[in-house]
Amino acid sequence: EVQLVQSGAEVKKPGESLKISCKGSGYTFTSHWIGWVRQMPGKGLEWMGIIYPGDSGTRYSPSFQGQVTISADKSISTAYLQWNILKAPDTAMYYCVRVYGSALIWFDYWGQGTLVTVSS
Amino acid sequence: EIVMTQSPATLSVSPGERATLSCRASQSVSSNLAWYQQKPGQAPRLLIYGSSTRATGVPARFSGSGSGTEFTLTISSLQSEDFTLYYCQQYNTWPLTFGGGTKVEI
Repeated sequence: EVQLVQSGAEVKKPGESLKISCKGSGYTFTSHWIGWVRQMPGKGLEWMGIIYPGDSGTRYSPSFQGQVTISADKSISTAYLQWNILKAPDTAMYYCVRVYGSALIWFDYWGQGTLVTVSS
Repeated sequence: EIVMTQSPATLSVSPGERATLSCRASQSVSSNLAWYQQKPGQAPRLLIYGSSTRATGVPARFSGSGSGTEFTLTISSLQSEDFTLYYCQQYNTWPLTFGGGTKVEI
């Protein structure tokens, strides 16, 4: 059974850094891209970026390029989403997603979400 | 960036009735469209990809159609568990974009 298990909720202050994680199991981790999707409170879904754990190649949405860093450690089947400087508008639920496909992609499995709250 | 517009924002229907949700793309996305269902407090779940192919385990009452810029998700006979949020997503052109969602309510 494919599972994506994300790290727990975080409460941080503006200006702090953060790295959240997503551990994949039940499939070959290095054979599928993994992505991140943001959902701000009461709002819709926004694609942030993806990474291919096999070679750590990444692709970002222009809206998030330079704002976050996506990485992966294939030795432990885990992907990460990192902020160097958090801001209040980063408050959101963040979902990791397994990608189906390579050139044309959609998201066939979703993690349970990690709630990030940024508040002074 | 391709803008995906879902309508209506809220759809009021009765259990057992048919629901028709629309998704429009600002430019052609061919058949490269997916639909997701999101229940309150839960992560989204893939329903449809390739505009009309049901994902594994998705009941047959869900069907998708369309190509180019106009797409439809139809729920043939609404069950109580279907009253929730639905999103479309295009994957024809980077960046990948989602619609704003349609809430199906009683």
